[in-house]
Amino acid sequence: NAGVTQTPKFQVLKTGQSMTLQCAQDMNHNSMYWYRQDPGMGLRLIYYSASEGTTDKGEVPNGYNVSRLNKREFSLRLESAAPSQTSVYFCASREPGTSFEQFFGPGTRLTVL
Amino acid sequence: RKEVEQDPGPFNVPEGATVAFNCTYSNSASQSFFWYRQDCRKEPKLLMSVYSSGNEDGRFTAQLNRASQYISLLIRDSKLSDSATYLCVVLTGFQKLVFGTGTRLLVSP
Repeated sequence: NAGVTQTPKFQVLKTGQSMTLQCAQDMNHNSMYWYRQDPGMGLRLIYYSASEGTTDKGEVPNGYNVSRLNKREFSLRLESAAPSQTSVYFCASREPGTSFEQFFGPGTRLTVL
Repeated sequence: RKEVEQDPGPFNVPEGATVAFNCTYSNSASQSFFWYRQDCRKEPKLLMSVYSSGNEDGRFTAQLNRASQYISLLIRDSKLSDSATYLCVVLTGFQKLVFGTGTRLLVSP
């Protein structure tokens, strides 16, 4: 099992460009999450999907959109990137009702110039 | 006040030492507590859950003090491989996981 995979691993964008971060999990988990991690800020929840077909805003949703394409895949889109979105982005998944452990992907390091 | 607060460190200890980290949380309705480990430039991974009665996993011991709203992580006989950032994570009453900013541990030979 690959667990949670993310692409790309690294990306550099110019202000105003758009891009989509991809996430997939092969653990048959119902819930998936997108976080960003910044120095001194800890992990902050951007959006989450409690189950296929549903998405909800987290703590810092502005500037982002998400799509739960199917049970496996949950993508994060930056429509018009800003330097404030320079961060490390982690996707995670878990199976509700079993434990609260979240399994994280390896992260995407995004720089917006 | 942050929901979860940790001393960022770094804690510099020699191999074989015992080291302890504390983490405080502000929401008294918090339900569950965890320690995650994050290696440099890697993703966080669950280290252990924290139970009301305290729990131990090898060299690692976690304690919960609900009255004072803090949890602790004790590492005995530190190894070089324990060098990492340790994240305190709290499940709030709204079923939301809140991550602390982490405590960095450096174990030296």
